[in-house]
Amino acid sequence: ILNVEQSPQSLHVQEGDSTNFTCSFPSSNFYALHWYRWETAKSPEALFVMTLNGDEKKKGRISATLNTKEGYSYLYIKGSQPEDSATYLCAFPITGANSKLTFGKGITLSVRP
Amino acid sequence: DTGVSQNPRHKITKRGQNVTFRCDPISEHNRLYWYRQTLGQGPEFLTYFQNEAQLEKSRLLSDRFSAERPKGSFSTLEIQRTEQGDSAMYLCASSTGLGMVPYEQYFGPGTRLTVT
Repeated sequence: ILNVEQSPQSLHVQEGDSTNFTCSFPSSNFYALHWYRWETAKSPEALFVMTLNGDEKKKGRISATLNTKEGYSYLYIKGSQPEDSATYLCAFPITGANSKLTFGKGITLSVRP
Repeated sequence: DTGVSQNPRHKITKRGQNVTFRCDPISEHNRLYWYRQTLGQGPEFLTYFQNEAQLEKSRLLSDRFSAERPKGSFSTLEIQRTEQGDSAMYLCASSTGLGMVPYEQYFGPGTRLTVT
């Protein structure tokens, strides 16, 4: 069984704080690592699809890094805002680059104004 | 809006009843996935289609579950004789992905099923 682990499970921060999350995944047969943001009552939104070891991607205040050799990815949010409050999921395709995704349990971020 | 849509958004049903959900993917996407999410868990894979062909079904999918994608467009997921354990958020996603280049899966807002 291939598991994707995320930590911490939940995080409560003050507006302006920077945060980071960890996603651990099997390092063998690596195809890609996906990060999603899921706000309540909305569709999960793709943030990044990462493929290369050492890759770093950025979208506004959110960035992510990837280490395929040791099997982890970090997601950083700089200067958290209340609108960043959501569940952040990482996911890993198991049997091919575009196969079914195995998701972690997600990290619920709550940003207090 | 040209995203993935799902209907209904919410469904409350009594145990033993049949329910059917619909997913309309992004029109040019050939892959369509169904996932299920229960409280405290991440989404779990149920089944996926490439065009009209159902390529894989999870062992989570009992005989009470059936999915179709006629003509490779919209898809339906039917649950027969619902049980309380079927209560979950059912998510649909679509993708243009083929081959070795990974593509994003675009998700719909989900159908929340409550079985009483």
